[in-house]
Amino acid sequence: GENVEQHPSTLSVQEGDSAVIKCTYSDSASNYFPWYKQELGKGPQLIIDIRSNVGEKKDQRIAVTLNKTAKHFSLHITETQPEDSAVYFCAASIGIGDMRFGAGTRLTVKP
Amino acid sequence: GAVVSQHPSWVICKSGTSVKIECRSLDFQATTMFWYRQFPKQSLMLMATSNEGSKATYEQGVEKDKFLINHASLTLSTLTVTSAHPEDSSFYICSARGELGGNGYTFGSGTRLTVV
Repeated sequence: GENVEQHPSTLSVQEGDSAVIKCTYSDSASNYFPWYKQELGKGPQLIIDIRSNVGEKKDQRIAVTLNKTAKHFSLHITETQPEDSAVYFCAASIGIGDMRFGAGTRLTVKP
Repeated sequence: GAVVSQHPSWVICKSGTSVKIECRSLDFQATTMFWYRQFPKQSLMLMATSNEGSKATYEQGVEKDKFLINHASLTLSTLTVTSAHPEDSSFYICSARGELGGNGYTFGSGTRLTVV
């Protein structure tokens, strides 16, 4: 089955700097890659997603890139703010198949 | 957008009692719902997958007699933790996938269960 690895497990940046979180997946058939943000005591919230027919997608300060050949995708957050501090999860699925999650990255943005 | 409502947000119960957690899709029909358990500072651990009108599929190591899942309608799934013990204390989260099988999962807000 699909296996998703996520790095780093923790990331600390200064406010205004960029943050990058990387994930790799094992099943080349995976074609949907969402990113979730989880704040303390809350459920994960979808922040951006990308499908395999697209190499990059951007939404304001957040962008996701996908390299199908290398089977990895990354989340980029620019101009980080303290409210970006949270745990971020990547995931991968094949169509409507079960979604597999990465282990999570705890991002801390220092003011 | 799709909204999943999960209740209660937190619950404290005594050892030996049962607790029911509800997960409702408010503006779409959820053919499939998922239940996760999350320990502090850890990832989401899939417990079971439930499809409306059929028995839930449990992940390996999850006791189906202890964690009862019911998905009686397209908008409601429940997780009942039976004969709860302190080691069942955790954060439980549900998610739902829509009728058209859209790829996205919508998560509930989670339930913090504390068994004393």
